[in-house]
Amino acid sequence: KQEVTQIPAALSVPEGENLVLNCSFTDSAIYNLQWFRQDPGKGLTSLLLIQSSQREQTSGRLNASLDKSSGRSTLYIAASQPGDSATYLCAVFYSGGSNYKLTFGKGTLLTVNP
Amino acid sequence: ETGVTQTPRHLVMGMTNKKSLKCEQHLGHNAMYWYKQSAKKPLELMFVYNFKEQTENNSVPSRFSPECPNSSHLFLHLHTLQPEDSALYLCASSQDAVAASSYEQYFGPGTRLTVT
Repeated sequence: KQEVTQIPAALSVPEGENLVLNCSFTDSAIYNLQWFRQDPGKGLTSLLLIQSSQREQTSGRLNASLDKSSGRSTLYIAASQPGDSATYLCAVFYSGGSNYKLTFGKGTLLTVNP
Repeated sequence: ETGVTQTPRHLVMGMTNKKSLKCEQHLGHNAMYWYKQSAKKPLELMFVYNFKEQTENNSVPSRFSPECPNSSHLFLHLHTLQPEDSALYLCASSQDAVAASSYEQYFGPGTRLTVT
């Protein structure tokens, strides 16, 4: 059974700081990994998708890395801003029975203080 | 409208009520999903429909009854719910549920359900 763990559960940083969020998964037979952002009481917004053959993806101030063999991914946020405050979810995409499934971690609640 | 929409956004219901959640996608996708997000827990997949056929029921209690009349619409019918069913219910869609190359899921804003 695939399990996804995110550390830390919560993180509070001052504005302008660079930070790293961590994600680990137990079964390395994944197709890809996706990072999402969720604002309070809202749906999910996809941030970055890394294919299993890739090592990293970048979008603006965000950089996600993937080490499939060790079952780990990191999301690096540069020059954090108060608007980055949200819960960040990591999800791995793998084959489970007849469907391909996304398995999510519990998320990291990020607070960026002005 | 674009993307994935869900109605209502908030719902309060008693344990004896019957209500329905609605999801609509405007992306031309063939697969639709229901997820449950409870406090302190990861998102849990509930149901998957691919080309209007239910292909996954993740051991969901029968008090939750999904319906997919066409590829654009998905409903979740609720009856005799329990307080522990209070959660954010998220709908998602993707091009296909069985082809890895077309999996990327797009999420709606969710329905916040409170069972009293």
